[in-house]
Amino acid sequence: GAGVSQTPSNKVTEKGKYVELRCDPISGHTALYWYRQSLGQGPEFLIYFQGTGAADDSGLPNDRFFAVRPEGSVSTLKIQRTERGDSAVYLCASSLVGSTLPYGYTFGSGTRLTVV
Amino acid sequence: KQEVTQIPAALSVPEGENLVLNCSFTDSAIYNLQWFRQDPGKGLTSLLLIQSSQREQTSGRLNASLDKSSGRSTLYIAASQPGDSATYLCAVNSNSGYALNFGKGTSLLVTP
Repeated sequence: GAGVSQTPSNKVTEKGKYVELRCDPISGHTALYWYRQSLGQGPEFLIYFQGTGAADDSGLPNDRFFAVRPEGSVSTLKIQRTERGDSAVYLCASSLVGSTLPYGYTFGSGTRLTVV
Repeated sequence: KQEVTQIPAALSVPEGENLVLNCSFTDSAIYNLQWFRQDPGKGLTSLLLIQSSQREQTSGRLNASLDKSSGRSTLYIAASQPGDSATYLCAVNSNSGYALNFGKGTSLLVTP
């Protein structure tokens, strides 16, 4: 597609429920990233995929968070047993990757998650 | 750990003024630095990307500079317009990995 697409744009869920957030990156971008942005803060890194594998998941806050990218394109961020502190905007980005490190990133519009 | 700081946190200027937003980072071993714009309730729009070997990049009324040795970048906006009102985020891509380290942003308001 022309840009990074994230669905849903808004999600309200009850504490303790399971949620899935979807990211459809730019076609041909092998690198995909998830970030989380709390109110008044800059985005914080969660996880990075190169192709199908999670190359760096050091930003995932705990084992309730998990992400997959089974075919190297669309990615799903999964949050189990949601807590009110998980409320934030979840941003996805994709990029081309050069011989060493990535070129510039393109971000999606984000999914605003509210846990009540 | 790379720390990115943006000053000021908020800025209000009358239309037509030139302005400078500041970004500093603690680890000079960076691969590139990127400036983003974020409108309320929206994602991030990339404005300028400066590779570590470059000193500045320009796009229209925007000019970003990079002084890697001192750990600083500035975003200069010429002849500001109300449509420039948004939050501006600075992000650093360190040599050690692929994650971007963001500052908290500068919230800019340009009044007519």
